[in-house]
Amino acid sequence: EVHLVESGGGLVQPGRSLRLSCAASGFTFDDYAMHWVRQTPGKGLEWVSGISWNSDRIYYADSVKGRFTISRDNAKNSLYLQMNSLRAEDTALYYCAKDGSRVIGRWFDPWGQGTLVTVSS
Amino acid sequence: SYVLTQPSSVSVAPGQTARITCGGNNIGSKSVNWYQQKPGQAPVLVVYADTDRPSGIPERFSGSNSGDTATLTISRVEAGDEADYYCQVWDNGRDLVLFGGGTKLTVL
Repeated sequence: EVHLVESGGGLVQPGRSLRLSCAASGFTFDDYAMHWVRQTPGKGLEWVSGISWNSDRIYYADSVKGRFTISRDNAKNSLYLQMNSLRAEDTALYYCAKDGSRVIGRWFDPWGQGTLVTVSS
Repeated sequence: SYVLTQPSSVSVAPGQTARITCGGNNIGSKSVNWYQQKPGQAPVLVVYADTDRPSGIPERFSGSNSGDTATLTISRVEAGDEADYYCQVWDNGRDLVLFGGGTKLTVL
C-alpha cells in the first residue's frame, strides 16, 4: 500500500524558516514525480511545487517562487520542502502527493495526511 | 492567467444525479482530474484524465470534458458522497498546477 507521511510542521515566526519532509513507502519512489499542495483551514487547495523523478524539472507557484525550495532524495524515499522568509499567508496544512508519472503534469494519487504550518509572532 | 471556475455548492437528494462543473477557457483541450475531500481528511482522486476512474472508486463517479466545461457526474448519490470536490489541470503554458475553487456537495 502506498503511504506518504509528512512531518516538520509547527509554529514559526514570520521571516523564519522551516523544512518539511515527506516519507514515502509502498511504491518505487524514483519512478514518480512528487508535489507539495497546501490548504488554508476552511479554504481550497493550492499547489505549491512539483519535482520530477530525477529532479531535472522543478516548478513553483508564483506565491512561493524564490522563497521555497523543493528537493528529493531517492535513496531515502523522501521529499522535502525548504521554506524560507515565511509569511502569515503561508499558514496552511501542507500535503505531499504522488504524481501519476515520472514527469510532472498528471494527477495526484495518493496524498499524505498533511503537516500544519502556522506562521505567527 | 488561466482560471478554473466551480460552483460553490451543489445540492441533491439521495438517489439522484449530481453534476459538478469546472469551467475554463477551452478546458476541453486539457486533461482534467477530480478530487473528493471529506471533512478532516486528505483529498482522494476520483476521476483522472477526464474520464478514467482509479481502482476502488465506484462506477457511480464519471467525468466528461468538452469545450469550456468539464463535468464530474455522481449517479445514485449517497449520503457518504457529501464532500468538497475539486477539479485540477496542468497549465502547460505556465508550467504549473491549477485547482478549481471547490464545490461543496450537500446530500439533502
